[in-house]
Amino acid sequence: ETGVTQSPTHLIKTRGQQVTLRCSSQSGHNTVSWYQQALGQGPQFIFQYYREEENGRGNFPPRFSGLQFPNYSSELNVNALELDDSALYLCASSLTGGPGNTIYFGEGSWLTVV
Amino acid sequence: LAKTTQPISMDSYEGQEVNITCSHNNIATNDYITWYQQFPSQGPRFIIQGYKTKVTNEVASLFIPADRKSSTLSLPRVSLSDTAVYYCLVGRSGSARQLTFGSGTQLTVLP
Repeated sequence: ETGVTQSPTHLIKTRGQQVTLRCSSQSGHNTVSWYQQALGQGPQFIFQYYREEENGRGNFPPRFSGLQFPNYSSELNVNALELDDSALYLCASSLTGGPGNTIYFGEGSWLTVV
Repeated sequence: LAKTTQPISMDSYEGQEVNITCSHNNIATNDYITWYQQFPSQGPRFIIQGYKTKVTNEVASLFIPADRKSSTLSLPRVSLSDTAVYYCLVGRSGSARQLTFGSGTQLTVLP
């Protein structure tokens, strides 16, 4: 167990809808990042949050947005869902500025867009 | 961002030692090398991380030559449950924005 929890584990949405995915980071971790993993591919970095601000972003459009809360938990929001957004969404947490700052992943949220 | 190259797939038999090599010719001075294991429909699981020479933990060893342009993950005496995709990543430790996943290596352990 990594201590990183995500919800929901599975969900189905219709094209054009909006979705919010949630993540609780490992205790003591102040940095959260999100990844998208399509079937048969490696995870792709979406963005990272540190101290409630986005401090790094991958090649994803603005309809992918996020939040980090004072307790370091995080949300990933995707607007105007497209069929290609169907994927496993992974949250990872780490400790920026601390020793042993390995990145740990949650089990992911499976999103299916129909 | 440093790019990594790994074999797409490998087969092994139960009880054998498996070595998966990763090339990272453009590794930067501040970059660490980290290996993850991923089973279908699960998040990547941290295996081992190193900067240079050799690192060993309870599940694997990581060998890094002096030039750090490659690394080798060694799994001793694999079992069927070690069948998974293994990813090699390089980047600054703790900074997800520095990590780029490649396609990984699909390891299949046969009985």
